[in-house]
Amino acid sequence: EIVMTQSPATLSVSPGERATLSCRASQSVTSNLAWYQQKPGQAPRLLIYGASTRATGIPARFSGSGSGTEFTLTISSLQSEDFAVYYCQQYNTWYSFGQGTKLEIK
Amino acid sequence: QMQLQESGPGLVKPSETLSLTCTVSGGSISSYYWSWIRQPAGERMEWIGRVHATGGTSYNPSLKSRITMSIDSSENQFFLKITSVTAADTAVYYCARLIAARPHYYMDVWGKGTTVAVSS
Repeated sequence: EIVMTQSPATLSVSPGERATLSCRASQSVTSNLAWYQQKPGQAPRLLIYGASTRATGIPARFSGSGSGTEFTLTISSLQSEDFAVYYCQQYNTWYSFGQGTKLEIK
Repeated sequence: QMQLQESGPGLVKPSETLSLTCTVSGGSISSYYWSWIRQPAGERMEWIGRVHATGGTSYNPSLKSRITMSIDSSENQFFLKITSVTAADTAVYYCARLIAARPHYYMDVWGKGTTVAVSS
């Protein structure tokens, strides 16, 4: 089983600033990685797949990078609606998820 | 816009069978894969399995012996059954559409989730 580890567990950032979230895989997943956003009581929302391809309708301030075992989600200028929990998920070998990073307002 | 809605009992007794339904609206269930995912409180999400519109299934090896997934295209619904449940099966259960566009397999539409507790 591929284990996904996200860091930090909680990230405090001010609106308008940049946020950088990390995700590490226990073995290579090439570029077979997705990022999701989840707000309380809502369905998870697909942001990124293929490590760097934005899903339909996702604003350009969200960007993904990385390959192999190290991945990053960057939100370039935080808006109020971006404060949420973010999950990475690999689909190289079945599917497994990170434990999430909570992005909170500083 | 496609929407998914999970439904089923919120409480199941230990050793019994958990049965959930996912109803798809705003689009057809045909030609896609459909997944179930669960998240126990305070833990990471766990992929349970997937079912194709044709009925083909794949399950998480760690759960395979207890899982059955099926689909009813005429009703735009798909289903999850987990037998012999224990407290470890207590979780929020999500259904989702799985896009399979090799090499990319990701879940692009999710339901809001339904909470299932296993308790006597």
